[in-house]
Amino acid sequence: DQQVKQNSPSLSVQEGRISILNCDYTNSMFDYFLWYKKYPAEGPTFLISISSIKDKNEDGRFTVFLNKSAKHLSLHIVPSQPGDSAVYFCAASLIMGGNKLVFGAGTILRVKS
Amino acid sequence: DTGVSQNPRHKITKRGQNVTFRCDPISEHNRLYWYRQTLGQGPEFLTYFQNEAQLEKSRLLSDRFSAERPKGSFSTLEIQRTEQGDSAMYLCASSLVTSGAETQYFGPGTRLLVL
Repeated sequence: DQQVKQNSPSLSVQEGRISILNCDYTNSMFDYFLWYKKYPAEGPTFLISISSIKDKNEDGRFTVFLNKSAKHLSLHIVPSQPGDSAVYFCAASLIMGGNKLVFGAGTILRVKS
Repeated sequence: DTGVSQNPRHKITKRGQNVTFRCDPISEHNRLYWYRQTLGQGPEFLTYFQNEAQLEKSRLLSDRFSAERPKGSFSTLEIQRTEQGDSAMYLCASSLVTSGAETQYFGPGTRLLVL
């Protein structure tokens, strides 16, 4: 039972353009969402998060959008840089459920220069 | 470096052997989580501690797996009688819980290969 899904295994974007990574979830009780970036042979690195009481959170080049009615969130990276090439994981949690993270399978982002 | 550290980074063992991994969280973080990641998948929750108390264990955590966090500082994850299916990346994360949402910070992981 995959509660968090990232349906695009990979995405290729030109340097300087926008990267949009998508994530869907099934459990409407999730109330906190995070995006992590992972390079090979390293642990996930936290990027940005959003609480379910918000619909947008921005941090520099990274913006996360949350659509609760559609149970969908997305990560926008503008402008994309070659160093952004990595695997991006979407994760969801229940604040009152111990905050254990439920991850999607990840999307490989390649930014071409 | 004040991030989460894990040791060893790599471990190769033979089926049936026991292995133990260590995680040192960010100091002052009161929660510590263990996850497991296999190829092509996202990390899956195994167990977590608040201070020294183990508060939840996943159904993924068979009785061959045991985790401890003595004194609420570092944590160890032991796998007894390893099986080839245990081959994975084992990730540790820590967080500071005050109230509400928290952000978990991950270590570099321990990659286990069971031959």
